[in-house]
Amino acid sequence: GAVVSQHPSWVICKSGTSVKIECRSLDFQATTMFWYRQFPKQSLMLMATSNEGSKATYEQGVEKDKFLINHASLTLSTLTVTSAHPEDSSFYICSARPGLAFETQYFGPGTRLLVL
Amino acid sequence: KQEVTQIPAALSVPEGENLVLNCSFTDSAIYNLQWFRQDPGKGLTSLLLIQSSQREQTSGRLNASLDKSSGRSTLYIAASQPGDSATYLCAVDTGNQFYFGTGTSLTVIP
Repeated sequence: GAVVSQHPSWVICKSGTSVKIECRSLDFQATTMFWYRQFPKQSLMLMATSNEGSKATYEQGVEKDKFLINHASLTLSTLTVTSAHPEDSSFYICSARPGLAFETQYFGPGTRLLVL
Repeated sequence: KQEVTQIPAALSVPEGENLVLNCSFTDSAIYNLQWFRQDPGKGLTSLLLIQSSQREQTSGRLNASLDKSSGRSTLYIAASQPGDSATYLCAVDTGNQFYFGTGTSLTVIP
């Protein structure tokens, strides 16, 4: 089946540093990748949608200069949290869609970020 | 904008009971609806995927139904077990993005 991986699974960093999270589709090519954020006891909220080779589309309220998304290839998307602050501490989950709009998304295992 | 609601927010049942989780959505223009399980601090595990043209899907003790016209889906869990304790999320796929429900936190008491 379709597998999506994320790295790292856990990251602890100091306030003001930048953190990069990778999302890879292991056995399929993902034309579209999605990044979600989940705060404790809340549901997943879409942050941005990225298509390979083009700029990401950010949801309202998500700062594009703070959350840099790069979808450089059909199997890799990265989310960089720049100048992280404690309020950025969250669970970040990516998903990937193989191709057509009616195909489902496959979710990564998530990355837990703790900013001290 | 699509809004997805799940009722109840939390549920506690004794082991062996059958139970139903509810999911409602406001816009019936969906490609599919998916039920996920999430354990504390973990990612999502896909349980059942129902295409918009389907009425239900079954996997083991789980059965999910979809009534697209009324904007409702139910997840039925038969003979619940303590290992079923988790948060259950439903999500609708509009083709552009997933919209997640608020989740139902299930506790099955041994």
